[in-house]
Amino acid sequence: DTGVSQDPRHKITKRGQNVTFRCDPISEHNRLYWYRQTLGQGPEFLTYFQNEAQLEKSRLLSDRFSAERPKGSFSTLEIQRTEQGDSAMYLCASSSGEGRAKNIQYFGAGTRLSVL
Amino acid sequence: TQLLEQSPQFLSIQEGENLTVYCNSSSVFSSLQWYRQEPGEGPVLLVTVVTGGEVKKLKRLTFQFGDARKDSSLHITAAQPGDTGLYLCAGADDMRFGAGTRLTVKP
Repeated sequence: DTGVSQDPRHKITKRGQNVTFRCDPISEHNRLYWYRQTLGQGPEFLTYFQNEAQLEKSRLLSDRFSAERPKGSFSTLEIQRTEQGDSAMYLCASSSGEGRAKNIQYFGAGTRLSVL
Repeated sequence: TQLLEQSPQFLSIQEGENLTVYCNSSSVFSSLQWYRQEPGEGPVLLVTVVTGGEVKKLKRLTFQFGDARKDSSLHITAAQPGDTGLYLCAGADDMRFGAGTRLTVKP
């Protein structure tokens, strides 16, 4: 396994368009997390899944954002009607969710979104 | 939500110098994690500290968890340009990160 994969690495879109990002976690990892990171800041938690169940959503996650993990494997994050303030790096992480290593998160390289 | 404050926000030093960065909170954590992030990449886990007063060493990096499990420090000895990056702490309980310390080590 090569780790957490995110696609695309970069996305440029015009304001008002919808975008969708994909995250493939490490195989057999039960937990999957989405974060947003802006320049000079640490990652801000958006949401996380335990298998296919979305267990927590941040108040930062407006109604324009939706995340899914339909089969408990890969996940998608969709942003509808993008705004310039959505420009950021979107990071995905996964963890085993079990045992001593349950909270050790492995991050993907992120998707950098630029909204023009 | 447990707020994590990191200091300093920026640090620029010469190769060979020692440095310490801090992660503080008013809340108690069951464990804290330290990550390093390089430009254009995701954070990479360096260490997890679990026990109050715990000290962990990773080559030239020394991590300490406060006795009360509210704070942590990272000390780097004889910094090298390869140590340059954003150092982040995170509470393992709620997956929240501090804003990070951006370290630049000049050759």
